[in-house]
Amino acid sequence: AQSVTQLGSHVSVSEGALVLLRCNYSSSVPPYLFWYVQYPNQGLQLLLKYTSAATLVKGINGFEAEFKKSETSFHLTKPSAHMSDAAEYFCAVSRAQKLVFGQGTRLTINP
Amino acid sequence: DTGVSQDPRHKITKRGQNVTFRCDPISEHNRLYWYRQTLGQGPEFLTYFQNEAQLEKSRLLSDRFSAERPKGSFSTLEIQRTEQGDSAMYLCASSLGESGELEETQYFGPGTRLLVL
Repeated sequence: AQSVTQLGSHVSVSEGALVLLRCNYSSSVPPYLFWYVQYPNQGLQLLLKYTSAATLVKGINGFEAEFKKSETSFHLTKPSAHMSDAAEYFCAVSRAQKLVFGQGTRLTINP
Repeated sequence: DTGVSQDPRHKITKRGQNVTFRCDPISEHNRLYWYRQTLGQGPEFLTYFQNEAQLEKSRLLSDRFSAERPKGSFSTLEIQRTEQGDSAMYLCASSLGESGELEETQYFGPGTRLLVL
């Protein structure tokens, strides 16, 4: 069965610092991977997705993620954190039209 | 381009009551999905439709849960005889269904937050 594991339920960074949110996947076949962001009391918004076209995927709001098959990872990064990035971030793998989500990482930005 | 909408946004009910939620997908989208998200967890798949056909149901969808999409447009999710364990955010998503992509992007609505007292 396909699954994702997000390492770190809470990440705190200073404004302007690098953001790194970790996601490792488990899949016996090439996965389709997604990062979604959820702001308080809202639904999920797609940040980016990997569909095997390119290993480095650029998304919205300055985020990007790199697919590393050897490490079974799809970590999300942003060079410089902004206060508006504070939210919950979910990594997900898709198979047969179902999204399987990780438990999420809450990102806090310190001024 | 309107996104996925859900109604109501919040629902408080007493244990044992029935509740019904509505989801309106993006207009040209043929696939519609329901997920449940409990506090501190990621969303979990419940069921999905291709047009009006319900193609898959999760084991999480007990007999008290029923979902419909009668005309292939909006969908309803009904929970009968609610229990306190049903308290969660219920998320609806839709995708195009005809893009040719193997795994399409799902677009989510704002969710309905249910509290069962």
